[in-house]
Amino acid sequence: AQKVTQAQTEISVVEKEDVTLDCVYETRDTTYYLFWYKQPPSGELVFLIRRNSFDEQNEISGRYSWNFQKSTSSFNFTITASQVVDSAVYFCALLSNFGNEKLTFGTGTRLTIIP
Amino acid sequence: DTGVSQDPRHKITKRGQNVTFRCDPISEHNRLYWYRQTLGQGPEFLTYFQNEAQLEKSRLLSDRFSAERPKGSFSTLEIQRTEQGDSAMYLCASSSQGTNEKLFFGSGTQLSVL
Repeated sequence: AQKVTQAQTEISVVEKEDVTLDCVYETRDTTYYLFWYKQPPSGELVFLIRRNSFDEQNEISGRYSWNFQKSTSSFNFTITASQVVDSAVYFCALLSNFGNEKLTFGTGTRLTIIP
Repeated sequence: DTGVSQDPRHKITKRGQNVTFRCDPISEHNRLYWYRQTLGQGPEFLTYFQNEAQLEKSRLLSDRFSAERPKGSFSTLEIQRTEQGDSAMYLCASSSQGTNEKLFFGSGTQLSVL
């Protein structure tokens, strides 16, 4: 079985503050992939990042960074110097059991950036 | 626009009626997925196709639900005898085989069953 937990239901921060979204996953597989998606008010899920279980190197893309720690089964997402356009619901997702073709999503974190 | 397209964006229907949604994936993608999302939840897998073959269906997909992808291009999802519990956002996504599920999603069809 696999499970993704996003304990933070809603977060509000003032613009330009940094914010971290937490993601904890469960899987028995040794090969798996972790994802983050952004869902703006328009409804379309936008792919942000994919990591495989063999690559624990943290990644930075502009104001976004991701911290993958297998020891704690976490894949946290940090936005630096937040902007109003970052307001959205963010989903963490897991694909495990190589050959299993479906993503398991967390319940999402609604992020509101206050101008 | 070469993204995933879904039609209609919104559908309001009365309980007991049949509804059909359409999804046009990114043209070079051979995999197509249907997900359902209810308020405050993440998307839940319903079914997926590789080309025209339906390879897996979730237990969430009751006998009232049927999906097709007749020519391996667009797909339809039909719900027969709709129930109020069917009210949700129905999301379509597509991907290329071998990309380890980098899914591209459409904007969804919001279904409201009255």
